[in-house]
Amino acid sequence: DAKTTQPNSMESNEEEPVHLPCNHSTISGTDYIHWYRQLPSQGPEYVIHGLTSNVNNRMASLAIAEDRKSSTLILHRATLRDAAVYYCILSPYGGSQGNLIFGKGTKLSVKP
Amino acid sequence: EPEVTQTPSHQVTQMGQEVILRCVPISNHLYFYWYRQILGQKVEFLVSFYNNEISEKSEIFDDQFSVERPDGSNFTLKIRSTKLEDSAMYFCASRGLGKSYEQYFGPGTRLTVT
Repeated sequence: DAKTTQPNSMESNEEEPVHLPCNHSTISGTDYIHWYRQLPSQGPEYVIHGLTSNVNNRMASLAIAEDRKSSTLILHRATLRDAAVYYCILSPYGGSQGNLIFGKGTKLSVKP
Repeated sequence: EPEVTQTPSHQVTQMGQEVILRCVPISNHLYFYWYRQILGQKVEFLVSFYNNEISEKSEIFDDQFSVERPDGSNFTLKIRSTKLEDSAMYFCASRGLGKSYEQYFGPGTRLTVT
């Protein structure tokens, strides 16, 4: 599985935008970029995914570099509830039955 | 909103004992997974299950582990002879057909082996 690199931790102020980076220089053409997050004492939670184009949903936006070697998860207005570990995961569509290989992720702290 | 449920929330067992962790996936989902997370470490894939058989398993999922979907609604993980190092949070997940990106995770079962 292709590897991703994320900062260990980031801090944000409440109600400000947060940009969480992910590098995936060895991404293959069939790899989707997935983001999950894990709130304290909970199971992981799907956030967003994309292949080539930028994506928006109710939770976040995903900006994908043109060469697909990096991506950025954007939380438009951080809330205290967004404090979590955010995981950037690559997975080929239809491959490996979709099982997810988690890295260490980025621990996001949100200050009031 | 449909959700994955897991029971029990916390299981304490003695080393060498068998444990069964139970999960009820979302009703129309077809793919099922078990993951585990040792305290302070990353989430690790254990096994995926589809069409009543194991699709893929990790190196962690050795002969001591087994999975079953006994009645069309429950999905279980059995550890035959628990070891201290099996202490972890175990998460069940499921996904629907065609949605390989969106897995729904349960709240987890904390297994403590003493």
